[in-house]
Formats: sequence, C-alpha cells, structure tokens
Amino acid sequence: SQQGEEDPQALSIQEGENATMNCSYKTSINNLQWYRQNSGRGLVHLILIRSNEREKHSGRLRVTLDTSKKSSSLLITASRAADTASYFCATDLQNQGGKLIFGQGTELSVKP
Amino acid sequence: DTGVSQDPRHKITKRGQNVTFRCDPISEHNRLYWYRQTLGQGPEFLTYFQNEAQLEKSRLLSDRFSAERPKGSFSTLEIQRTEQGDSAMYLCASSLAQGSIQYFGAGTRLSVL
Repeated sequence: SQQGEEDPQALSIQEGENATMNCSYKTSINNLQWYRQNSGRGLVHLILIRSNEREKHSGRLRVTLDTSKKSSSLLITASRAADTASYFCATDLQNQGGKLIFGQGTELSVKP
Repeated sequence: DTGVSQDPRHKITKRGQNVTFRCDPISEHNRLYWYRQTLGQGPEFLTYFQNEAQLEKSRLLSDRFSAERPKGSFSTLEIQRTEQGDSAMYLCASSLAQGSIQYFGAGTRLSVL
C-alpha cells in the first residue's frame, strides 16, 4: 500500500492564485521529496526536506514539514499555466534503504 | 545532457514476449532505482542497486522480472513472458547516496498487447 496520502487529488485554480497541496505519511522518515510530473513524462525533482527541517523555499515553492503530525505541504505562489502537472510527495522511510514511497499525487490545473 | 537516460522510450510487445529496458544513471551516482507507474497512480518501488549489488527487490518483482547493474554503471530490467498487467511506465532513478535526491529518467512506456 502507498505510504503517503495526498490531498486534494485534484485542484483547479486561476493563474496568479496560490496552490497548496498536502501530504500525510504513516511512519518515521529520513526525508520527504516533492516531484512534478507532466503528462506522460518523467518526474522532475522540486524540493527535498529532511526530518530535522521545518521549512524550505525554492523560487515560488515553499515546503513545510511537521513530523509530529506526519504531514507536509507544498505551496506554489503566483501560479502559472506552466505549473499544470501532477505533484507527488515521496517519503524516504527510516531503515528502508533509501527507496522512495510515493503518494497518489495531486493533479493541478492552472487556467490562464 | 548528463541526466538519467532510459531506452527505449516506448515499447510495444505481444503477450508472452521478452523485453529489456536500459537505464544509464548520472555518472558517479552509486545508487540506482527502478520504479513502475500505472495510469493515475504514483510510482511504486521495484528494486535498487548500490554500485553493482542489488540490495532489495519488491514483492511486486515476480520471478519473470530480473534486473542487473554490471560494473555498477548502467542497469537493465528484463521482463520475461510479458503479460498485459505488465503494461506501465518503468522509471529509473539515480542518486549519489542513500538519502540524497533521486533524479529520474523520462521512463520507458511498455504496452503489452
């Protein structure tokens, strides 16, 4: 079964609005990684946040991690049509050798 | 281009045939991972290598699947006697070490008719 649960499954917004996606997981992690995937393409790495970090930024992206609640969120500010894609969180679980366990993803649609 | 490359990008085969995919990781990356992704789902872990050693195989990897990474460089994933249920995107990723960013290739899309 998948480790991560993502919410919402689908999100539709207008260009310029902010988009927030959430990810919950079940067991202790070493790190959590967020990826973007355009339809039929490979995964593009966005941000890695380690278990001892609470927040990271990269351009218009902000990721938070709350290990007490076993949850993470990805915020995309001032969204653009080009941000339309599926977004996945992936957890690197403790004592699991480094493999990633992915959620089912959030499908983001940004309308011009 | 120094990213992860996968070949072929698409493969159409008939049920019962054997197929082999290749993955070339980013050079100097010790870790290489294979994942499988079906439509509407997130990728699922199949197996991974530390240099040439295969350290873990998912129970998703039946006896018909075999993966190798000779000399710790490129890797191959072979599926024997393909079944329609094997139709999926097969993704390869590499990383410098455990706990590092995993960089993904574009994937090989397999269609079994």
